Amino acid sequence: DQQVKQNSPSLSVQEGRISILNCDYTNSMFDYFLWYKKYPAEGPTFLISISSIKDKNEDGRFTVFLNKSAKHLSLHIVPSQPGDSAVYFCAASYLQGAQKLVFGQGTRLTINP
Amino acid sequence: NAGVTQTPKFRILKIGQSMTLQCTQDMNHNYMYWYRQDPGMGLKLIYYSVGAGITDKGEVPNGYNVSRSTTEDFPLRLELAAPSQTSVYFCASSLPRGGANVLTFGAGSRLTVL
Repeated sequence: DQQVKQNSPSLSVQEGRISILNCDYTNSMFDYFLWYKKYPAEGPTFLISISSIKDKNEDGRFTVFLNKSAKHLSLHIVPSQPGDSAVYFCAASYLQGAQKLVFGQGTRLTINP
Repeated sequence: NAGVTQTPKFRILKIGQSMTLQCTQDMNHNYMYWYRQDPGMGLKLIYYSVGAGITDKGEVPNGYNVSRSTTEDFPLRLELAAPSQTSVYFCASSLPRGGANVLTFGAGSRLTVL
């Protein structure tokens, strides 16, 4: 049973425009949500996170929005740059225990010049 | 500061062979994890450890074993390799301090079983 889902396998955006990546989850008990970015032949790297008690977190060009009633979060990248082309993973975790991350399937973002 | 180091980067195994994927971290993190990523899929947790001498199963542990004798090292053992274990394996570590548990990942080990 997929607890974290990213329903768009790929997304193509023009350089300078906004990129919006979406993620849905089924377990309302998750405490934190994280976004990771992955380049080919590298490990995932942490991008931004949000607590379940917040609805927005911003870090430079990256903003994550959380809609708990819809069990939905999104990552906005403004403006998009060619270096943003990568696979983006959404992940969720609990605050207690081993705090394991549960990952979505990933969305491949391509920024076109 | 090396972070999380995985070896080997690539390996081809024959069905039935065994091998160990090595993982070491130099950040003094107490939590360590092994994930696998299959094409078009997210990362699935194989095993994890919250400290030396403590390990536990994740979502997909069958066919694997782990040990954690030191804080730094968390090797993953594949016994009797099968084609279904063809995947990219990622080791990660973290030091939870309240807030989001941010994992630091290694570069991955690509394993092919033929």
